[in-house]
Amino acid sequence: QSVLTQPPSASGTPGQRVSISCSGSSSNLGSNAVNWYQQVPGTAPKLLLYGKNQRPSGIPDRFSGSKSGTSASLAISGLQSEDESYYYCAAWDDSLNSWVFGGGTKLTVL
Amino acid sequence: DVQLVQSGAEVRKPGESLKISCRGSGSSLTNSWIGWVRQMPGKGLEWMGIIFLSDSDTRYSPSFQGQLTISADKSMNTAYLQWNSLKTSDTAIYYCARAAYYYYHMDVWGQGTTVTVSS
Repeated sequence: QSVLTQPPSASGTPGQRVSISCSGSSSNLGSNAVNWYQQVPGTAPKLLLYGKNQRPSGIPDRFSGSKSGTSASLAISGLQSEDESYYYCAAWDDSLNSWVFGGGTKLTVL
Repeated sequence: DVQLVQSGAEVRKPGESLKISCRGSGSSLTNSWIGWVRQMPGKGLEWMGIIFLSDSDTRYSPSFQGQLTISADKSMNTAYLQWNSLKTSDTAIYYCARAAYYYYHMDVWGQGTTVTVSS
């Protein structure tokens, strides 16, 4: 049971906009920034978004994030086939003094 | 830019010890924190703990405290993850990742080390 809750799956067609939600509590998302990671099966996770909707160099602006209270979401616009991957949210938890992750969402591009 | 290079795949029997490594390449990790993340077969990511290479200040997840040891050798630009007595449930891929501070995002990841524990 992950501390952060994500839907196990999401899907969309090329060009569509999809969102993936992440729900937490006051000690993690309610207090700290959310980070999003992308993981293609068989490869290491890659940082997608951090802080206040900031993207590392090389991440296209099709990826954006938002946070309100104890919930966050990742939005992907102009969906492409290469976006088919697993997506994880993560946040620092002040009560656990630990990073916590969501269980991951498998995004399928139909 | 820094890259994290992890040691190769390992196969051990239950009860055996193991130490895997994560070496920085291309830049010093002295002022960096190196975290460890577990991914069990077919499962999600779990944060295990993190170490500051400069002074070996270490923080553990409550879930992993006492189960393993995170250490570092700043002269070797390397962090380590060590088990004294492996269990079959330790079978997983272990990733190291760099952070600017222990509660900052992990921005550079190693390629992962697969550990298989089987009798």
